[in-house]
Amino acid sequence: EAGVAQSPRYKIIEKRQSVAFWCNPISGHATLYWYQQILGQGPKLLIQFQNNGVVDDSQLPKDRFSAERLKGVDSTLKIQPAKLEDSAVYLCASSSTSGSPKTQYFGPGTRLLVL
Amino acid sequence: QQPVQSPQAVILREGEDAVINCSSSKALYSVHWYRQKHGEAPVFLMILLKGGEQKGHEKISASFNEKKQQSSLYLTASQLSYSGTYFCGTEVRAAGNKLTFGGGTRVLVKP
Repeated sequence: EAGVAQSPRYKIIEKRQSVAFWCNPISGHATLYWYQQILGQGPKLLIQFQNNGVVDDSQLPKDRFSAERLKGVDSTLKIQPAKLEDSAVYLCASSSTSGSPKTQYFGPGTRLLVL
Repeated sequence: QQPVQSPQAVILREGEDAVINCSSSKALYSVHWYRQKHGEAPVFLMILLKGGEQKGHEKISASFNEKKQQSSLYLTASQLSYSGTYFCGTEVRAAGNKLTFGGGTRVLVKP
């Protein structure tokens, strides 16, 4: 079974530029999560989708971050404009809707450096 | 509020044991343990449900003390492959499977 796919793996941009990350979850997983992991810290949830609806985006900085999952499968996270403090690894995870509790499986992440 | 992990770091010799703790100020439904190696994605180890259940993965086991709202991860007879950062993710019932992760515990196993 294929795992969670993310691209690109690395991105370097200047501050105030925009950037987008893509995630394709494990086939059949209805729930998709975007996390931000700053160096030396644990992952912090930015947004959670179930199918194409937002379940939780309480920690998403909505003035600059946006995310969508239009067809309930893959998802895009965008930052516009980027700030220096956005330098981090952006992890995507997915889980199925069956069973409780539900295991989240992580993708390899996108490492973002804002200069 | 994120759970508190202790210790922050531990250095072991191959074959030694270690315990990592994860404490929460909230009543928990489950605790999820992950291991992350440098530059890689977090890898799922196990889930603990309230009720003091104990689980195992290779020679790594964990327990959940509901009274203390604390989970402990036990690394037994550690191997070089156990090196990495261990994170606990806690779930509060009715939080929609939302996990809040601790700051991590860095483990280095030396030959």
